[in-house]
Amino acid sequence: DGGITQSPKYLFRKEGQNVTLSCEQNLNHDAMYWYRQDPGQGLRLIYYSQIVNDFQKGDIAEGYSVSREKKESFPLTVTSAQKNPTAFYLCASREGVRYGYTFGSGTRLTVV
Amino acid sequence: SQQGEEDPQALSIQEGENATMNCSYKTSINNLQWYRQNSGRGLVHLILIRSNEREKHSGRLRVTLDTSKKSSSLLITASRAADTASYFCATADTGGGNKLTFGTGTQLKVEL
Repeated sequence: DGGITQSPKYLFRKEGQNVTLSCEQNLNHDAMYWYRQDPGQGLRLIYYSQIVNDFQKGDIAEGYSVSREKKESFPLTVTSAQKNPTAFYLCASREGVRYGYTFGSGTRLTVV
Repeated sequence: SQQGEEDPQALSIQEGENATMNCSYKTSINNLQWYRQNSGRGLVHLILIRSNEREKHSGRLRVTLDTSKKSSSLLITASRAADTASYFCATADTGGGNKLTFGTGTQLKVEL
């Protein structure tokens, strides 16, 4: 079945560490997105990519980095510069502008 | 930035009743979408309505869009306990970038 796989489901990070969240899709979608969700709140856009080897900052890109070397993969690195990284991270992809997003099941990151 | 604001923030109804959620937004849009999120899970796309459409149906869902008032509503008819979830509206603005801006969500609880 086609879909988006995020891993790991839960991730614990020590302060000062960088961590990378994985997002893989087999839907052949060009566009991919990373959102952050804090408890009881909506989603905020971190980064997005409309095509391989290209990506743009979203509303809250500071402290995060991404790469898009393959169409299927859009990993997100949470760097030590992100002061409040504890959150639920959601990856999504879309076939085109007239379609909705397909979301992964999310990664819950906790700083310990 | 949060484009959409859902109203109410929380809604509790009995099974069989209808549930209505409202969304207001600020900018010109290409389309508006509604998503559902079960606790701790990814979002699921429910319905997309284009800016030149006024009403759309999908099963027990009815969505309206009033671009003059920059508002939309989602009606779930004959609700079931399984409809318990958070519901988010999201807008694709005309500024391009193919990205969605999500609202803050309505938490719906359907009781038996």
